[in-house]
Amino acid sequence: DGGITQSPKYLFRKEGQNVTLSCEQNLNHDAMYWYRQDPGQGLRLIYYSQIVNDFQKGDIAEGYSVSREKKESFPLTVTSAQKNPTAFYLCASKRAPNEKLFFGSGTQLSVL
Amino acid sequence: DQQVKQNSPSLSVQEGRISILNCDYTNSMFDYFLWYKKYPAEGPTFLISISSIKDKNEDGRFTVFLNKSAKHLSLHIVPSQPGDSAVYFCAASDLSGGTSYGKLTFGQGTILTVHP
Repeated sequence: DGGITQSPKYLFRKEGQNVTLSCEQNLNHDAMYWYRQDPGQGLRLIYYSQIVNDFQKGDIAEGYSVSREKKESFPLTVTSAQKNPTAFYLCASKRAPNEKLFFGSGTQLSVL
Repeated sequence: DQQVKQNSPSLSVQEGRISILNCDYTNSMFDYFLWYKKYPAEGPTFLISISSIKDKNEDGRFTVFLNKSAKHLSLHIVPSQPGDSAVYFCAASDLSGGTSYGKLTFGQGTILTVHP
């Protein structure tokens, strides 16, 4: 079955530590996205990538970094510069601009 | 700068009745709108969409209405079922922009509870 796989489901970060969230899709979609969900604030866009080796900042990119070396993969690194990293992180992809966004099942990141 | 707003944090309805979820937007360049449903600790799933060239789109129990002059859209669920209880997000996109690859801007979400 085609879909988007996010791992791990739960992740804990220590102070000053960088952590990387994995996102893999086998839908052959060109565009991939990272969103963050906080209670009462909906989904906010962190980074997105339209093609391999290219990505753009979203609305809340500070403290995050991404790479897009393969079409299938779009990992997100939460750096120590992100002072409030506790949130539910969602990866998504789409085939074309006018099509719906498909989401992974999310990663809950918490700070120890 | 909240470009997409869902002003009702929660909505409670009785099973079998109509649920109406509302969404307002401020960016007049938005031309494609979607509704997503989300359960806790899961990713959102797509429900229904509408292009700005239409004012209504229907899919089974779900209907989305778009009022461009008011910059307002709504999702109607008829009849409501307990399994519809979830968080509903509206989202908007500017497809004519060309550079953003249709990235979506989401509202804050509305928690719908359908009582048996």
